Amino acid sequence: AQSVTQLGSHVSVSEGALVLLRCNYSSSVPPYLFWYVQYPNQGLQLLLKYTSAATLVKGINGFEAEFKKSETSFHLTKPSAHMSDAAEYFCAVISRRGRLTGANNLFFGTGTRLTVIP
Amino acid sequence: GAVVSQHPSWVICKSGTSVKIECRSLDFQATTMFWYRQFPKQSLMLMATSNEGSKATYEQGVEKDKFLINHASLTLSTLTVTSAHPEDSSFYICSARDKDGVGIYGYTFGSGTRLTVV
Repeated sequence: AQSVTQLGSHVSVSEGALVLLRCNYSSSVPPYLFWYVQYPNQGLQLLLKYTSAATLVKGINGFEAEFKKSETSFHLTKPSAHMSDAAEYFCAVISRRGRLTGANNLFFGTGTRLTVIP
Repeated sequence: GAVVSQHPSWVICKSGTSVKIECRSLDFQATTMFWYRQFPKQSLMLMATSNEGSKATYEQGVEKDKFLINHASLTLSTLTVTSAHPEDSSFYICSARDKDGVGIYGYTFGSGTRLTVV
């Protein structure tokens, strides 16, 4: 089944430090991959998405992610963390069953809570 | 960009009553909308997929008679929690799918509804 795994439910970084949030996918076909951010009691905001074009994807708020087929990874990075980056981050993939049925629903990882230490 | 409006943002209801949550796509036509449920500090779990003008497709384990979904138009889907009980208390998020310029669907999320059943 097509799914994503997020390693680390909680990541803490100092303000100004590199942010690295990990996401690995399992798929027998090239997937479409997404990163979303969620602030408390809010919906999800799209940071970036991979659609089989460029492997390095740049998103909003200075985030980027690189699709690495050899590692089945799509890690999210940001060179310098800001206090406003503190939130929950979700990696997502269009589920295989969804693609087969045409529903194309998203399947979410378990999420990583990012804490930024001043 | 695409905007999805979800109302109410929070609601408290008495056990046994019903609650309706609305999800509207404001500037695009959403042929498909998704309803998710999110428990505290957990990921989003897909409840159902609704297509305009047809019956919703529910995920395994989701009671269709309890969570009534109506997608009567291309811009509005509603989720009604019938005979609500405390265990239905949760954060409900809708998502509308549209087609962006590169041919891959975009998913826009509502801001979520915090339901508390007392």
